[in-house]
Amino acid sequence: DIQMTQSPSAMSAFVGDRVTITCRASQGISNYLAWFQQKPGKVPKRLIYASSSLQSGVPSRFSGSGSGTEFTLTISSLQPEDFATYYCLQHNSYPPTFGQGTRLEIK
Amino acid sequence: QVQLVQSGAEVKKPGASVKVSCKASGYTFTGYYMHWVRQAPGQGLEWMGWISPNSGDTNYAQKFQGRVTMTGDTSISTAYMDLSRLTSDDTAVYYCATLGPTTSLTAAGTDYWGQGTLVTVSS
Repeated sequence: DIQMTQSPSAMSAFVGDRVTITCRASQGISNYLAWFQQKPGKVPKRLIYASSSLQSGVPSRFSGSGSGTEFTLTISSLQPEDFATYYCLQHNSYPPTFGQGTRLEIK
Repeated sequence: QVQLVQSGAEVKKPGASVKVSCKASGYTFTGYYMHWVRQAPGQGLEWMGWISPNSGDTNYAQKFQGRVTMTGDTSISTAYMDLSRLTSDDTAVYYCATLGPTTSLTAAGTDYWGQGTLVTVSS
């Protein structure tokens, strides 16, 4: 199975900050990567697909980049509603595997 | 609007089986693959498999092979996930989700999720 490793596992930031979360794959996955947001007690929501394509309705402050083994999710200016846990997911090969999550908290 | 409504919470004893349902509405049930994802308390997300409601084809994670069965009833637009030989490690919230007309979780398409079903395995 392909291992997905996110960093950091947790972080705190101020409203308005620019935040970057990294996801590394144990082997190349081309651009078969998605990013999900999950708020406490809520279902996951996909933000980015195909590494860099923004899901319809997702604010443009979210962006994704990367290919191969290294990927990033960037939030250009944190808003109060962005405090959540973020997961990357690869689906280059089976089984699809998620990163362990990055918990983003308010500083 | 698209909705996926799952069955209610379950408490099961070790060794038992559980069957979770996921009723779809607002779209053509047979047109989209249904994935099942689970999340243990305080833990991350884990993909379990998918079913094509149109053909009945399935693809399960190796980890669950032999213990999981995913089915669909097109007459009532409902998908099912049956997990047998439960242990305490199976205590989790189970989600059904559809992310588009292909099997891919990372391709274009809108994602819709059920509300989740908590399955607790305890003696």
